[in-house]
Amino acid sequence: KQEVTQIPAALSVPEGENLVLNCSFTDSAIYNLQWFRQDPGKGLTSLLLIQSSQREQTSGRLNASLDKSSGRSTLYIAASQPGDSATYLCAVIRSNDYKLSFGAGTTVTVRA
Amino acid sequence: DAGVTQSPTHLIKTRGQHVTLRCSPISGHKSVSWYQQVLGQGPQFIFQYYEKEERGRGNFPDRFSARQFPNYSSELNVNALLLGDSALYLCASSLIWSSGNTIYFGEGSWLTVV
Repeated sequence: KQEVTQIPAALSVPEGENLVLNCSFTDSAIYNLQWFRQDPGKGLTSLLLIQSSQREQTSGRLNASLDKSSGRSTLYIAASQPGDSATYLCAVIRSNDYKLSFGAGTTVTVRA
Repeated sequence: DAGVTQSPTHLIKTRGQHVTLRCSPISGHKSVSWYQQVLGQGPQFIFQYYEKEERGRGNFPDRFSARQFPNYSSELNVNALLLGDSALYLCASSLIWSSGNTIYFGEGSWLTVV
């Protein structure tokens, strides 16, 4: 069974600081990994998709890395802004059945 | 193009009742999945459908059922509602079932069981 863990569960940073969000998974047989953002009471917004053959993916201020062998992914958000305050979820797609397994998320607060 | 649309957005039901939640995928997407998200947790997989066939089922009781229609929209049905069924129900769509394509989620249906 795939277990996905996100640490820390919550963090608060001043505006302008870089954010580092961690995701670990127990089964390295993944098809890909996707990072999502969730605002309070809302659905999930896709941020980045990393294929299992890739090491990283970038979009604007966001950069996500993937190390399958160690079962880890990291999401970096540069120069954080108050609008980045949200819960960030990572999810892995299992190679055997293509189902998403989610972590519980990291809730980020960026203080102005 | 519209994203993934879900209805209703909020609803309140009484224990023992049943509920039907609806989802329309992004135009051209043939795969629809359903997830349950309890407050403070990550979404849990319930069902996946592709080309109107069930392709996967999560660890949920038989009170939960779903189907996909010829236009690729989908319904999630929950019978004999329990208080513990209170959650955000999310629908996701992707181009095809087994691919590396991005998965897109709707805004969800908030279900409260009283």
